[in-house]
Amino acid sequence: DAGVTQSPTHLIKTRGQQVTLRCSPKSGHDTVSWYQQALGQGPQFIFQYYEEEERQRGNFPDRFSGHQFPNYSSELNVNALLLGDSALYLCASSLYMGEKLFFGSGTQLSVL
Amino acid sequence: AQSVTQLDSHVSVSEGTPVLLRCNYSSSYSPSLFWYVQHPNKGLQLLLKYTSAATLVKGINGFEAEFKKSETSFHLTKPSAHMSDAAEYFCVVSDRGNAGNMLTFGGGTRLMVKP
Repeated sequence: DAGVTQSPTHLIKTRGQQVTLRCSPKSGHDTVSWYQQALGQGPQFIFQYYEEEERQRGNFPDRFSGHQFPNYSSELNVNALLLGDSALYLCASSLYMGEKLFFGSGTQLSVL
Repeated sequence: AQSVTQLDSHVSVSEGTPVLLRCNYSSSYSPSLFWYVQHPNKGLQLLLKYTSAATLVKGINGFEAEFKKSETSFHLTKPSAHMSDAAEYFCVVSDRGNAGNMLTFGGGTRLMVKP
């Protein structure tokens, strides 16, 4: 039984570019949440998707957007990248927006 | 709004000695509280969860945490540290919004275990 998988594992972009990160939830899960973890800090909630809709959003600008597909997988898009967007981006899945989250290993994004 | 404060950014113990990682929370209602562990290059793993059924919660790998409402604390303990316990630990509070829920993480405590 595969857990939460994220791709790519590492990514290097330059300022102003756009990036798309991908996440496949744990088998049987229908809810995907995204978190940003800056170096030396705890993860911060970006948003949560359930039934292909954004259900809750943290304090992140509109440059951060997402999508959930019918197979429950999800994408995180970031436009107009800033140096401060450099971080580990974590995807987590759960069942029916539950509190028990399973996390992927993350995508390390570096913006130069 | 809710928040979590982890009182120590780094904790160093010797192998075989007790571990105490401190956490205080702020929440306007009865919270769900968690401890997660993050090993290098690995995802976050749930250690334990408190949801008001019992104030002392037992988790995996010998860890446990005690919920103290009067002190708004949820400290994580382990009687005897093992080298494999060296990792980053996060205290987390859950906010169930009108639709969905979000986790609020503390800043983390790095546990170092000396041989």
